[in-house]
Amino acid sequence: GAVVSQHPSRVICKSGTSVKIECRSLDFQATTMFWYRQFPKQSLMLMATSNEGSKATYEQGVEKDKFLINHASLTLSTLTVTSAHPEDSSFYICSAGHLNTEAFFGQGTRLTVV
Amino acid sequence: AQKVTQAQTEISVVEKEDVTLDCVYETRDTTYYLFWYKQPPSGELVFLIRRNSFDEQNEISGRYSWNFQKSTSSFNFTITASQVVDSAVYFCALSGFGSARQLTFGSGTQLTVLP
Repeated sequence: GAVVSQHPSRVICKSGTSVKIECRSLDFQATTMFWYRQFPKQSLMLMATSNEGSKATYEQGVEKDKFLINHASLTLSTLTVTSAHPEDSSFYICSAGHLNTEAFFGQGTRLTVV
Repeated sequence: AQKVTQAQTEISVVEKEDVTLDCVYETRDTTYYLFWYKQPPSGELVFLIRRNSFDEQNEISGRYSWNFQKSTSSFNFTITASQVVDSAVYFCALSGFGSARQLTFGSGTQLTVLP
């Protein structure tokens, strides 16, 4: 199957700083990428949908100014958590798809804000 | 709106036992996809199966089998002769046919297989 690479796999940052997470489709062009968040022992919740070359669509309750999504190319989407706080500590995982194909998931990023 | 319910939060079995994980879904779409994923402690999602709503045939893959019943909106997953390595969180998920890439996940079932 297709490969989606997410980086970094783990990151620890200080409260108030920003952290960027990258999601790359390695062997296909992804017209759409999805960002999910998973708190401990909970399910994966869709945060936002990003389409290449246009603004991301955020789910209700997700602050777009705090979670900046950029999908500047067909192989890369980035999620920047701005002014991170301990409550933003979570597991973030992306998925990528092309046209109407199945989504492929990255390995996930475990963010810890201290 | 779409909804996936996994009523079993945690299940513990002893190795070699069979175990069934339940999944019930709600959707207004007439066509849709159903999925099962495995999430080991490392966190990555391991794809197990995708089933479209047209195909109600049960599927078997090694020790895994899936029972899709449209009449009861259920898509249950059975592991036969469970092994310790099967211990993980299992998620059932649903997507529309036109957007197979955006998934609605159930709350997950933590399966623990004891030696």
